[in-house]
Amino acid sequence: EVHLVESGGGLVQPGGSRRLSCVASGFTFSSYEMNWVRQAPGKGLEWVSNITTSGSVTNYADAVKGRFTISRDNAKNSLYLQMTSLTVEDTAVYYCARGGDCRNGECRNTAYFHHWGQGTVVIVSS
Amino acid sequence: DMQLTQSPSTLSASVGDRVTITCRASQSVNNWVAWYQQKPGKAPKVLISAASNLESGVPSRFSGSGSGTEFTLTISSLQADDFATYYCQQYNSYSWTFGQGTKVEIK
Repeated sequence: EVHLVESGGGLVQPGGSRRLSCVASGFTFSSYEMNWVRQAPGKGLEWVSNITTSGSVTNYADAVKGRFTISRDNAKNSLYLQMTSLTVEDTAVYYCARGGDCRNGECRNTAYFHHWGQGTVVIVSS
Repeated sequence: DMQLTQSPSTLSASVGDRVTITCRASQSVNNWVAWYQQKPGKAPKVLISAASNLESGVPSRFSGSGSGTEFTLTISSLQADDFATYYCQQYNSYSWTFGQGTKVEIK
């Protein structure tokens, strides 16, 4: 069974930094693209960032480009999100979500998020 | 930038009702459209992918349709477990966009 467990959330001051982690189990982590998706309190879902299987290619939403960095350690089955220059608008539940299945060389199901973690809460406030 | 607009934002319905939620895109999209269900305090769950493909384990009362700029999610006979918020989502060239959500409430 696929499990994604996020951690690292907490209270951060505006302008501060935070690193989120997501540990994966139940599947071959290195064969899947991974994503971060967030949800501000009472608001909808917002895709944040994507990383390819090797980590060589990363993609970001405009709202976080230049401030957030996604990375992964396939040996540790772990996904990370380094967040800097945080503002109150970054307050949200951050979910890690499994992306494209690249087990056979060509990635399938890149378009959808079939598995999600339970989320970790980041609150940016003074 | 791609925008997805769902209507209505809130929907009040009764058990047994047929419910339709619409998702309109600001520009024509491919059929890489999904629908998710989210309950309070929980992660979203994908119901429909590729605009009309019912995901494994999802009840057949859920269906998706559409193309171009307009997509719909239909629940043929609303059940108590279906009261939740629903999101459409589209994908294009390593960019993913969600609609703002439709909350289905008990009438």
